[in-house]
This record gives sequence, structure tokens and C-alpha cells, in this order.
Amino acid sequence: GENVEQHPSTLSVQEGDSAVIKCTYSDSASNYFPWYKQELGKRPQLIIDIRSNVGEKKDQRIAVTLNKTAKHFSLHITETQPEDSAVYFCAVPNTGGGNKLTFGTGTQLKVEL
Amino acid sequence: KAGVTQTPRYLIKTRGQQVTLSCSPISGHRSVSWYQQTPGQGLQFLFEYFSETQRNKGNFPGRFSGRQFSNSRSEMNVSTLELGDSALYLCASSLLGENTEAFFGQGTRLTVV
Repeated sequence: GENVEQHPSTLSVQEGDSAVIKCTYSDSASNYFPWYKQELGKRPQLIIDIRSNVGEKKDQRIAVTLNKTAKHFSLHITETQPEDSAVYFCAVPNTGGGNKLTFGTGTQLKVEL
Repeated sequence: KAGVTQTPRYLIKTRGQQVTLSCSPISGHRSVSWYQQTPGQGLQFLFEYFSETQRNKGNFPGRFSGRQFSNSRSEMNVSTLELGDSALYLCASSLLGENTEAFFGQGTRLTVV
């Protein structure tokens, strides 16, 4: 099955700094790469996703980059704010079809004032 | 538009008992997936149902089962509960057949004592 590795497991930044979280995956046939944010006590929510036909996608302060050759994709958050503090998960779908997601182990991001 | 609804929100059960959790997807969504979330193992895929058929299955013992009804509502059942089954059980619904956003419910917090 799909294997997903996510680093770092914890990340502490000062408000206004940038944060980068990286995931690597094993199945070269994967073609959809979402990122979810889970605030404490809340449900995971999609914040951005990218498909394999593009190398980068931006949405305001958030961007995702994809390197299919190296089989890794990264989440970039610029100008971090306290409300960015949460756990972030990358995910990779099952290439056999359906909506099964294999999640990374999560990154606890803390934005300090 | 109502989101994904899971009931109950909290549950306390004794070892050896069984439990049934319910998930109502977003109206029009035919795909429902279940995940187990624990601090040690992260988000682990249990199974996915699409049009009342189990389409994908994770690596969980046969004590974990599920079903989907004609209105897309889904239930999961855990029999002969073990202490290690204590977790947050999350349901996610998706509009399309594959590689689309998963909308999560608030989860059911199961505690086995």
C-alpha cells in the first residue's frame, strides 16, 4: 500500500515567519495531493490540494509544491499568524480508485507571538 | 447546506461490548469513508462505502465492520471492544468517485473502559 512520510513532527515559528512541511510518498502513480488542517478539538479540513499536472498552487498565504520525480510535496505558509497554529496532515489517495486517503503522521505547528 | 453529521459525539463502553456509530454525509455525497484517529497512530483508514458497496478496506480486524444505506448514511460497528479501540472515529464524505475533497464530521469520541 501507499507509504507517506511527513516531516517535521513539530514546528515552532515566530509570527510573521514562514513555515514549510514536507511529505514524501511511495506510489509514483499518485496524482492528487491534499493538505488538511486540524485545530485542537475540531475536524480536519482541506486547506489546499494539488494535482499532478501542475508543480505549484497558491492560495493567499498558503502554497503547495509538487515534485513528482522525487515523489515529494510540500506545504508553505508565509507570514504566519497565531491562528495558523494547528496540526497539518498531508495525504495521498489510493491509486486503485475510490476516496481512500493515506495520511502522513501530522505536523504540530505553533506560531509564537 | 448541512455538513457531515456524526452521532453520538461521545461514547463510553466496557470491554467486550459492541458499539454502532452513525454518519450522515453531505446531501448528494455518495462516498463515505471512516477513519480512526489516535495520538500514537494518527489517522488510519478503516473503510469506504460508495453506493452501498464497500469499495476500499483498511488493515483493521474483522471486529470492525460497516455498511451504507440507500440514502448514503453509513454506520460502523465494532464488536468485542478492546481498550485499544479507544479513539476518535471520523467519518468523511466526498461528492465524486475518487480524488476529491473529503469533508469530515466532528467525530465520535469512543472510550473503552
